[in-house]
Amino acid sequence: ILNVEQSPQSLHVQEGDSTNFTCSFPSSNFYALHWYRWETAKSPEALFVMTLNGDEKKKGRISATLNTKEGYSYLYIKGSQPEDSATYLCASPEAAVNKLTFGGGTRVLVKP
Amino acid sequence: DGGITQSPKYLFRKEGQNVTLSCEQNLNHDAMYWYRQDPGQGLRLIYYSQIVNDFQKGDIAEGYSVSREKKESFPLTVTSAQKNPTAFYLCASSMWGEESPLHFGNGTRLTVT
Repeated sequence: ILNVEQSPQSLHVQEGDSTNFTCSFPSSNFYALHWYRWETAKSPEALFVMTLNGDEKKKGRISATLNTKEGYSYLYIKGSQPEDSATYLCASPEAAVNKLTFGGGTRVLVKP
Repeated sequence: DGGITQSPKYLFRKEGQNVTLSCEQNLNHDAMYWYRQDPGQGLRLIYYSQIVNDFQKGDIAEGYSVSREKKESFPLTVTSAQKNPTAFYLCASSMWGEESPLHFGNGTRLTVT
């Protein structure tokens, strides 16, 4: 079982502030890194799938970077809005198959 | 509208009874998965299937069984051998490959008393 960890477990952000949090994963035998957003009462939805070291992806105010050599990814939220409140999950596949191991998630609460 | 349907949303069973959770997808995805979530924990993989009539155990398969007779369907049976069956269960599907994102259903909350 891969060791995928996320920190912090939760954070409170004031509306309009920017924030970021971390996903760490084994740097050896890296295949891909997935990010998902899970809003309350909804199903998790994919944000990004990243594969290349140094890759940076963006979706609206949310962006992510990837460092495969040191085994971490950052997810950034710029100018947080209440609708950004969700649990953000990262996951990495084991071997070259889509058998994902998820981190414990970072729960983000944006206060108006 | 393409998507994944899990039913029912809530399920209650007595201890000692087997129960089957339904998962259907119309996304034409090859791969399907079952995850379990417990409070304070991340998603843990129970079973996954790459193609029809084939499936593999995930990290916590004990006490569960699955079948994949049709591409669209991947039902999960929680047997009486599962020691702590009360949990939230999520089904997902994807194209095969480590770069393919998962598409999730809305989940089934199972309570066993």
